[in-house]
Amino acid sequence: DSGVTQTPKHLITATGQRVTLRCSPRSGDLSVYWYQQSLDQGLQFLIHYYNGEERAKGNILERFSAQQFPDLHSELNLSSLELGDSALYFCASSPTGTGNYGYTFGSGTRLTVV
Amino acid sequence: DQQVKQNSPSLSVQEGRISILNCDYTNSMFDYFLWYKKYPAEGPTFLISISSIKDKNEDGRFTVFLNKSAKHLSLHIVPSQPGDSAVYFCAARTNQAGTALIFGKGTTLSVSS
Repeated sequence: DSGVTQTPKHLITATGQRVTLRCSPRSGDLSVYWYQQSLDQGLQFLIHYYNGEERAKGNILERFSAQQFPDLHSELNLSSLELGDSALYFCASSPTGTGNYGYTFGSGTRLTVV
Repeated sequence: DQQVKQNSPSLSVQEGRISILNCDYTNSMFDYFLWYKKYPAEGPTFLISISSIKDKNEDGRFTVFLNKSAKHLSLHIVPSQPGDSAVYFCAARTNQAGTALIFGKGTTLSVSS
């Protein structure tokens, strides 16, 4: 157990729908990062939050959004889902905003859009 | 534009031999490099890292080498064990605010006994 909790582990939904993925960071970590891993792709950075504030955006679609709450858990919202959004979505946390100590990853949420 | 490239999707090695996983990068601003290991149905786990001011870092059976002039790093596993079979990701970061770890696509290592 890495200490980073992601729910749900699996999600199957239809095209056009909206889903919310949840992440609880490791105790004491202030940063949350979201990554997407599609078939044959590496981990694509989506977005980074530090202590409730957005710090960096990567290849995140406009249909996707995220937030980090006062208790530091984070949610990734995916809307108007398309077949191509099917992927593993990982959340990672780190103590600081710079990731100097590397990231601790959760076990991921597998999203299947049908 | 891939800033971190792992050109070998897979590698097969016999138990007890050396495994060498390679990674190339294009961004000269990267100052810290990491290797992560991922088993099926689990998230990536940190394995070993190296700062750009060093050219080698060892941790047990794992050694990472950095060649800044060639923008190349490699992970050596000696001796390889069947439990090392996993996907290995190379990652890099700059020291600039507003950036995050950039990952390669990964190399699947299979160690046979």
